[in-house]
Amino acid sequence: DAGVTQSPTHLIKTRGQQVTLRCSPISGHKSVSWYQQVLGQGPQFIFQYYEKEERGRGNFPDRFSARQFPNYSSELNVNALLLGDSALYLCASSRSGTSGEQFFGPGTRLTVL
Amino acid sequence: AQSVTQLGSHVSVSEGALVLLRCNYSSSVPPYLFWYVQYPNQGLQLLLKYTSAATLVKGINGFEAEFKKSETSFHLTKPSAHMSDAAEYFCAVSDRESNYQLIWGAGTKLIIKP
Repeated sequence: DAGVTQSPTHLIKTRGQQVTLRCSPISGHKSVSWYQQVLGQGPQFIFQYYEKEERGRGNFPDRFSARQFPNYSSELNVNALLLGDSALYLCASSRSGTSGEQFFGPGTRLTVL
Repeated sequence: AQSVTQLGSHVSVSEGALVLLRCNYSSSVPPYLFWYVQYPNQGLQLLLKYTSAATLVKGINGFEAEFKKSETSFHLTKPSAHMSDAAEYFCAVSDRESNYQLIWGAGTKLIIKP
């Protein structure tokens, strides 16, 4: 079975631009979570979606938004990019999101210049 | 609020030596506990998980961890380190109070000396 896939793998943007990151979960998984991992730190939770509904949101500004589609894939949008948004963005999927076990994609490396 | 503390941002061991990576957590309700490994420029891979069954949990690649409620610890061990174990290791906790969101430690980079 295919694992969690993310696109693109790398992205370079300039300050003020907008970016959309995409994630496809493992087949049969209905929950998708997004994390930001700054170099040298652990992941920070951004969003969780389950059955297209937002289940949780971390301490991130409103410039960050996400959605989940009927096929359970998901997009993360970040507006008005700042230099500090440079990070590895990880997507994780799980069957229900209530046991904590999540399976991670390879991530999208975003660089903001 | 839940938190996870990993003692030591870097741990260095010789090839063939015991690996011990420490993790302490705080949670007011029974937690789920996880260890993930991250190789350079890659995503996170689940090593093992504790979900209230056996307190000694065996994972992939010869790793295991023991849940000690009295010490609020979930330390990761491997009897004999291999060069391929060099990576960053993250401990994470989730529970009903956090709505099952993963709360992460800061990570420990494992360095293997030849």
